[in-house]
Amino acid sequence: NAGVTQTPKFQVLKTGQSMTLQCAQDMNHNSMYWYRQDPGMGLRLIYYSASEGTTDKGEVPNGYNVSRLNKREFSLRLESAAPSQTSVYFCASSVHTSNQPQHFGDGTRLSIL
Amino acid sequence: QQQVKQSPQSLIVQKGGISIINCAYENTAFDYFPWYQQFPGKGPALLIAIRPDVSEKKEGRFTISFNKSAKQFSLHIMDSQPGDSATYFCAAKGAGGGADGLTFGKGTHLIIQP
Repeated sequence: NAGVTQTPKFQVLKTGQSMTLQCAQDMNHNSMYWYRQDPGMGLRLIYYSASEGTTDKGEVPNGYNVSRLNKREFSLRLESAAPSQTSVYFCASSVHTSNQPQHFGDGTRLSIL
Repeated sequence: QQQVKQSPQSLIVQKGGISIINCAYENTAFDYFPWYQQFPGKGPALLIAIRPDVSEKKEGRFTISFNKSAKQFSLHIMDSQPGDSATYFCAAKGAGGGADGLTFGKGTHLIIQP
């Protein structure tokens, strides 16, 4: 049982390049989330998808887009990467958004030069 | 505006001691308070969670104490072990509307000395 799988694990980009971070869950969860983790900042919500077909902005959505491809997959896209987007990105899923445990992947470490 | 304040930022405890991490929140709409444990290179993993209708929840060596009137909650790790060395995050979630993800504290780096 893989849980939440994120690809790639590491990536280095140049400023202005685009990239899509992939996330898939095999727990039949309805809700999926993208967070970023920066040193000393905890985790901050970028976007979430309460159910297949819906997406909503979180605390720090600027510079990102998301796609809920199907129930299993939720991708995060950086259209024009900036150094301020250097971070560790975590995908999470839960049964639904109402007070259910969120299960996290192991992250994508992204550096933008 | 930081909605969940966590302290201390780092903590060193001797093996067998009690580790205590504190969090305070501002938004009275929060109604779910989980604690996550994170090891280097891994994602956060749910440790224990509490809802505001109870004042304490215990699972093994881990206990959450919750004070609704003070808008504070804390994690106690009894008989702390070197394997507990990790970063701990408190979090909070509202009942719905707006952003439905978790609001995290900034984390506590816990070191258990053998």
